[in-house]
Amino acid sequence: GQNIDQPTEMTATEGAIVQINCTYQTSGFNGLFWYQQHAGEAPTFLSYNVLDGLEEKGRFSSFLSRSKGYSYLLLKELQMKDSASYLCAPRGVTGGGNKLTFGTGTQLKVEL
Amino acid sequence: EAQVTQNPRYLITVTGKKLTVTCSQNMNHEYMSWYRQDPGLGLRQIYYSMNVEVTDKGDVPEGYKVSRKEKRNFPLILESPSPNQTSLYFCASSWGIQETQYFGPGTRLLVL
Repeated sequence: GQNIDQPTEMTATEGAIVQINCTYQTSGFNGLFWYQQHAGEAPTFLSYNVLDGLEEKGRFSSFLSRSKGYSYLLLKELQMKDSASYLCAPRGVTGGGNKLTFGTGTQLKVEL
Repeated sequence: EAQVTQNPRYLITVTGKKLTVTCSQNMNHEYMSWYRQDPGLGLRQIYYSMNVEVTDKGDVPEGYKVSRKEKRNFPLILESPSPNQTSLYFCASSWGIQETQYFGPGTRLLVL
Protein backbone atom coordinates (compact mmCIF):
# COMPACT_ATOMS: atom_id res chain seq x y z
CA GLY A 1 0.00 0.00 0.00
CA GLN A 2 0.91 3.66 -0.01
CA ASN A 3 0.91 6.13 2.88
CA ILE A 4 1.16 9.84 2.18
CA ASP A 5 1.52 12.58 4.76
CA GLN A 6 1.29 16.28 4.05
CA PRO A 7 0.12 19.17 6.25
CA THR A 8 -3.57 19.89 6.12
CA GLU A 9 -3.32 23.68 6.02
CA MET A 10 -0.71 26.40 5.63
CA THR A 11 -0.89 30.17 5.58
CA ALA A 12 1.63 32.51 3.98
CA THR A 13 1.96 36.15 2.98
CA GLU A 14 1.82 37.51 -0.53
CA GLY A 15 5.33 37.85 -1.95
CA ALA A 16 6.82 35.33 0.47
CA ILE A 17 8.16 31.80 -0.06
CA VAL A 18 6.39 28.69 1.21
CA GLN A 19 7.49 25.06 1.33
CA ILE A 20 4.92 22.27 1.36
CA ASN A 21 6.31 18.96 2.55
CA CYS A 22 5.20 15.46 1.67
CA THR A 23 6.41 12.19 3.09
CA TYR A 24 5.37 8.91 1.59
CA GLN A 25 5.77 5.19 1.84
CA THR A 26 5.16 3.26 -1.32
CA SER A 27 6.03 -0.06 -2.87
CA GLY A 28 8.18 0.14 -5.97
CA PHE A 29 8.44 3.93 -6.08
CA ASN A 30 8.32 5.22 -9.63
CA GLY A 31 8.05 8.99 -9.51
CA LEU A 32 6.11 11.70 -7.70
CA PHE A 33 3.68 14.31 -9.02
CA TRP A 34 2.48 17.58 -7.55
CA TYR A 35 -0.90 18.94 -8.60
CA GLN A 36 -2.64 22.22 -7.80
CA GLN A 37 -6.38 22.28 -7.21
CA HIS A 38 -8.48 25.40 -6.75
CA ALA A 39 -11.71 24.95 -4.85
CA GLY A 40 -14.33 23.15 -6.93
CA GLU A 41 -12.03 22.82 -9.91
CA ALA A 42 -9.99 20.05 -11.49
CA PRO A 43 -6.44 19.30 -10.36
CA THR A 44 -3.80 20.68 -12.71
CA PHE A 45 -0.27 19.34 -13.15
CA LEU A 46 2.56 21.27 -11.54
CA SER A 47 5.63 19.06 -11.47
CA TYR A 48 7.05 15.57 -11.72
CA ASN A 49 10.18 14.15 -10.04
CA VAL A 50 11.57 10.72 -10.64
CA LEU A 51 15.23 11.30 -9.68
CA ASP A 52 16.62 12.88 -6.52
CA GLY A 53 17.11 16.61 -6.57
CA LEU A 54 15.40 19.84 -7.39
CA GLU A 55 13.28 20.54 -10.45
CA GLU A 56 12.64 24.22 -11.08
CA LYS A 57 9.83 25.63 -13.17
CA GLY A 58 9.36 29.36 -12.85
CA ARG A 59 8.05 30.28 -9.39
CA PHE A 60 7.51 26.61 -8.55
CA SER A 61 10.18 24.07 -7.64
CA SER A 62 9.89 20.50 -6.45
CA PHE A 63 12.43 18.43 -4.58
CA LEU A 64 12.67 14.68 -4.16
CA SER A 65 14.69 12.40 -1.89
CA ARG A 66 13.88 8.80 -2.69
CA SER A 67 15.93 7.36 0.16
CA LYS A 68 14.01 9.46 2.68
CA GLY A 69 10.59 9.10 1.05
CA TYR A 70 10.34 12.86 1.04
CA SER A 71 9.37 15.59 -1.37
CA TYR A 72 8.59 19.25 -1.10
CA LEU A 73 6.99 21.86 -3.30
CA LEU A 74 8.50 25.34 -3.08
CA LEU A 75 6.45 28.34 -4.15
CA LYS A 76 8.24 31.67 -4.50
CA GLU A 77 6.90 35.21 -4.83
CA LEU A 78 3.52 34.08 -3.64
CA GLN A 79 0.47 35.57 -5.29
CA MET A 80 -3.13 35.58 -4.10
CA LYS A 81 -4.04 33.22 -6.95
CA ASP A 82 -1.74 30.59 -5.41
CA SER A 83 -4.36 30.03 -2.71
CA ALA A 84 -5.34 26.45 -3.50
CA SER A 85 -4.91 22.87 -2.41
CA TYR A 86 -1.63 21.18 -3.34
CA LEU A 87 -1.73 17.44 -3.87
CA CYS A 88 1.28 15.16 -3.50
CA ALA A 89 0.93 12.00 -5.58
CA PRO A 90 3.62 9.31 -5.50
CA ARG A 91 3.49 6.51 -8.02
CA GLY A 92 4.25 2.99 -6.94
CA VAL A 93 3.87 -0.55 -8.13
CA THR A 94 1.15 -2.88 -6.96
CA GLY A 95 0.03 -6.29 -8.16
CA GLY A 96 -1.89 -4.59 -10.92
CA GLY A 97 1.02 -2.50 -12.16
CA ASN A 98 1.83 1.17 -11.78
CA LYS A 99 -0.47 3.06 -9.48
CA LEU A 100 -0.76 6.75 -8.68
CA THR A 101 -2.08 7.62 -5.22
CA PHE A 102 -3.04 11.12 -4.15
CA GLY A 103 -2.52 12.62 -0.73
CA THR A 104 -5.38 14.51 0.88
CA GLY A 105 -3.76 17.81 -0.04
CA THR A 106 -2.39 20.88 1.69
CA GLN A 107 -4.74 23.86 1.68
CA LEU A 108 -2.59 26.97 1.19
CA LYS A 109 -4.01 30.36 2.03
CA VAL A 110 -2.13 33.41 0.79
CA GLU A 111 -2.84 36.59 2.72
CA LEU A 112 -2.00 40.24 2.09
CA GLU B 1 -8.19 22.72 -27.79
CA ALA B 2 -6.90 19.64 -25.96
CA GLN B 3 -9.32 18.78 -23.21
CA VAL B 4 -11.20 16.26 -21.14
CA THR B 5 -14.94 16.86 -20.95
CA GLN B 6 -17.48 15.46 -18.53
CA ASN B 7 -21.25 15.57 -18.55
CA PRO B 8 -23.27 16.42 -16.65
CA ARG B 9 -21.37 18.86 -14.46
CA TYR B 10 -24.01 18.75 -11.74
CA LEU B 11 -26.57 16.06 -11.03
CA ILE B 12 -29.15 15.49 -8.33
CA THR B 13 -30.81 12.08 -8.37
CA VAL B 14 -32.59 9.64 -6.11
CA THR B 15 -31.49 6.32 -4.68
CA GLY B 16 -31.70 3.48 -7.17
CA LYS B 17 -32.11 5.48 -10.36
CA LYS B 18 -29.45 4.40 -12.83
CA LEU B 19 -27.22 7.14 -14.17
CA THR B 20 -24.24 7.56 -16.47
CA VAL B 21 -21.57 10.23 -16.34
CA THR B 22 -19.81 10.63 -19.65
CA CYS B 23 -16.13 11.40 -20.14
CA SER B 24 -14.48 12.21 -23.43
CA GLN B 25 -10.95 13.26 -24.38
CA ASN B 26 -9.64 14.58 -27.69
CA MET B 27 -5.92 13.91 -27.14
CA ASN B 28 -5.85 10.31 -28.35
CA HIS B 29 -4.79 9.23 -24.87
CA GLU B 30 -4.67 5.52 -24.15
CA TYR B 31 -5.03 5.70 -20.37
CA MET B 32 -8.22 6.96 -18.74
CA SER B 33 -9.33 6.91 -15.14
CA TRP B 34 -12.19 7.85 -12.83
CA TYR B 35 -11.72 9.34 -9.36
CA ARG B 36 -14.01 10.46 -6.62
CA GLN B 37 -13.04 13.20 -4.21
CA ASP B 38 -14.47 13.49 -0.72
CA PRO B 39 -13.50 15.85 2.12
CA GLY B 40 -10.65 14.46 4.18
CA LEU B 41 -10.18 11.47 1.88
CA GLY B 42 -8.60 13.05 -1.16
CA LEU B 43 -8.82 11.67 -4.66
CA ARG B 44 -9.51 7.96 -4.80
CA GLN B 45 -9.40 5.94 -7.99
CA ILE B 46 -12.58 4.09 -8.95
CA TYR B 47 -11.68 2.42 -12.24
CA TYR B 48 -9.09 2.84 -14.92
CA SER B 49 -8.57 1.77 -18.50
CA MET B 50 -5.27 1.08 -20.20
CA ASN B 51 -6.82 1.04 -23.67
CA VAL B 52 -9.97 0.11 -25.59
CA GLU B 53 -11.75 -2.87 -24.02
CA VAL B 54 -9.18 -2.98 -21.18
CA THR B 55 -10.49 -1.84 -17.80
CA ASP B 56 -9.59 -2.62 -14.21
CA LYS B 57 -10.67 -1.78 -10.69
CA GLY B 58 -9.11 1.00 -8.68
CA ASP B 59 -9.33 1.47 -4.94
CA VAL B 60 -13.09 2.02 -4.59
CA PRO B 61 -14.90 0.21 -7.44
CA GLU B 62 -17.95 -1.03 -5.51
CA GLY B 63 -21.20 0.31 -6.93
CA TYR B 64 -19.66 1.50 -10.19
CA LYS B 65 -19.22 0.14 -13.72
CA VAL B 66 -17.25 1.44 -16.67
CA SER B 67 -16.79 0.62 -20.32
CA ARG B 68 -14.21 1.55 -22.94
CA LYS B 69 -15.63 0.81 -26.37
CA GLU B 70 -13.86 3.73 -28.02
CA LYS B 71 -10.53 5.30 -27.22
CA ARG B 72 -11.94 8.76 -26.58
CA ASN B 73 -14.85 7.81 -24.28
CA PHE B 74 -14.90 6.31 -20.79
CA PRO B 75 -18.36 6.52 -19.20
CA LEU B 76 -18.95 5.88 -15.50
CA ILE B 77 -22.16 4.00 -14.72
CA LEU B 78 -23.96 3.88 -11.40
CA GLU B 79 -26.52 1.08 -11.76
CA SER B 80 -28.24 1.76 -8.44
CA PRO B 81 -26.90 4.93 -6.83
CA SER B 82 -26.90 5.26 -3.07
CA PRO B 83 -26.38 8.33 -0.86
CA ASN B 84 -22.80 7.28 -0.05
CA GLN B 85 -21.97 7.86 -3.69
CA THR B 86 -22.64 11.56 -3.27
CA SER B 87 -19.29 13.02 -4.24
CA LEU B 88 -17.26 15.06 -6.71
CA TYR B 89 -16.16 12.88 -9.62
CA PHE B 90 -13.20 13.50 -11.93
CA CYS B 91 -12.27 11.80 -15.15
CA ALA B 92 -8.61 11.92 -16.20
CA SER B 93 -6.57 10.82 -19.20
CA SER B 94 -2.93 10.46 -20.16
CA TRP B 95 -0.75 8.96 -22.87
CA GLY B 96 0.10 6.08 -20.62
CA ILE B 97 -0.06 5.05 -17.00
CA GLN B 98 3.35 6.62 -16.42
CA GLU B 99 2.46 9.96 -17.91
CA THR B 100 0.93 13.16 -16.54
CA GLN B 101 -2.82 12.91 -16.12
CA TYR B 102 -5.14 15.63 -17.39
CA PHE B 103 -8.37 16.04 -15.50
CA GLY B 104 -11.87 16.89 -16.62
CA PRO B 105 -13.80 19.72 -14.91
CA GLY B 106 -15.59 17.42 -12.49
CA THR B 107 -19.14 16.21 -11.92
CA ARG B 108 -20.81 17.02 -8.65
CA LEU B 109 -23.32 14.28 -7.80
CA LEU B 110 -25.92 14.34 -5.05
CA VAL B 111 -27.87 11.15 -4.38
CA LEU B 112 -30.94 11.65 -2.21
